[in-house]
Amino acid sequence: GNSVTQMEGPVTLSEEAFLTINCTYTATGYPSLFWYVQYPGEGLQLLLKATKADDKGSNKGFEATYRKETTSFHLEKGSVQVSDSAVYFCALITNDYKLSFGAGTTVTVRA
Amino acid sequence: EPEVTQTPSHQVTQMGQEVILRCVPISNHLYFYWYRQILGQKVEFLVSFYNNEISEKSEIFDDQFSVERPDGSNFTLKIRSTKLEDSAMYFCASSAAGGYYGYTFGSGTRLTVV
Repeated sequence: GNSVTQMEGPVTLSEEAFLTINCTYTATGYPSLFWYVQYPGEGLQLLLKATKADDKGSNKGFEATYRKETTSFHLEKGSVQVSDSAVYFCALITNDYKLSFGAGTTVTVRA
Repeated sequence: EPEVTQTPSHQVTQMGQEVILRCVPISNHLYFYWYRQILGQKVEFLVSFYNNEISEKSEIFDDQFSVERPDGSNFTLKIRSTKLEDSAMYFCASSAAGGYYGYTFGSGTRLTVV
């Protein structure tokens, strides 16, 4: 079956620090990969996506590259802000059309 | 930008009562989903719906649960007899093409069963 493993949190950073959240996956077939973000008190928002190997998804300064050889999709941001404090979920979908989520990583950015 | 709308945002209900969670998916989307997130745990798939019928459901989605698209715009999740362990955030989502390019989620309904 499909599964996603992501770095456990919580992660606490200072403003302007570099953020990396590791994500690896197991999937049947060729998945699309996603990062979703959940800000405090809000729903799930699609942050970025990649649909095939070597694609790089990017949005709001965040980036992640679909690495088929390492089955990974690590999320990075070069300089975080307080407003980036949220829970980040790595997820995948295959031809069963069901999203499989990782456990989520809570990120807190301090001023 | 088009949104998926969920109502209510919070619902408190007594154990054994029926609840209906409502969702208005994006108007040109064809695939609809319910997910739930028990506090502090993973987001879990409940059910997918396409062409007016359930296309897939998880083992969580037992006989206590049902979904319906009663008209051209609403998509509902009914829990017939709520249990304490049904307390969770329930998310509705929709997609245009089976979700391969991502779903759009609603902001969720927080259900508390007391």
